[in-house]
Amino acid sequence: KAGVTQTPRYLIKTRGQQVTLSCSPISGHRSVSWYQQTPGQGLQFLFEYFSETQRNKGNFPGRFSGRQFSNSRSEMNVSTLELGDSALYLCASLGGERTGELFFGEGSRLTVL
Amino acid sequence: QKEVEQNSGPLSVPEGAIASLNCTYSDRVSQSFFWYRQYSGKSPELIMSIYSNGDKEDGRFTAQLNKASQYVSLLIRDSQPSDSATYLCAVAGGSYIPTFGRGTSLIVHP
Repeated sequence: KAGVTQTPRYLIKTRGQQVTLSCSPISGHRSVSWYQQTPGQGLQFLFEYFSETQRNKGNFPGRFSGRQFSNSRSEMNVSTLELGDSALYLCASLGGERTGELFFGEGSRLTVL
Repeated sequence: QKEVEQNSGPLSVPEGAIASLNCTYSDRVSQSFFWYRQYSGKSPELIMSIYSNGDKEDGRFTAQLNKASQYVSLLIRDSQPSDSATYLCAVAGGSYIPTFGRGTSLIVHP
C-alpha cells in the first residue's frame, strides 16, 4: 500500500509570492490534515479536509487555504508569502477516527527569501 | 488552549539502557495518546498509540498512561544508536485532531 505522497519536496520562493503544495493520502483514507513544523513552534495544525469539506481548522491567517478533490487528494495554498512561512509543511492521512492515528508524508520544505 | 508539554532534552543514554520519555497534557477530556518518532530531516512516524490507563507494550517500546495525573510516558528498552531521534507526544480529545508537544531529543551513545 503506497504511503502519503507530497509534492514538491523542496521549494524556494520570495516574499509576496504564492505557493501550492499537493498531497495524496493513503489509498482509502478520506481525511487529510496539514501541519506546519518550525523549530520555534513545533508542529502546528493548519486544517483538515474530509470528503472535499474543511472539517477542522487551526489558528492560521486566511493566507493559508486548502482544498480537497473527489479522489481525496488535497492541496494547500499560501498567498503573499512572508519570511516566517519558511517551514516544513506536512500532510497526514488519518487512519481512522476511532484510532486518530496519523500517517505523515515526507513533507514539503518551503524556504521564503 | 490545549497544551502538551515535553522536556526538550537532549536526553542522553548509553546503548543498552532504558530511555524514559515523559509528557504531560492539560486537557482532562483527552482520549487518545500517541508517540511519534522523527529522525532529523524526516517526517514523524507513529510508533505507539494508547487509549486506556496502564501500560501497552510493543517490542522494545512501552507506553504508559495515567489519566488521573494527565501523564503519558514512553520507555525504550535496550536502547540502540538507531533510536536517536526526536520523540513527539501527541494528545487528542473528542475532535481526534491531536495537539503535539515540541518533542524530546534522544541521543543513544555507543
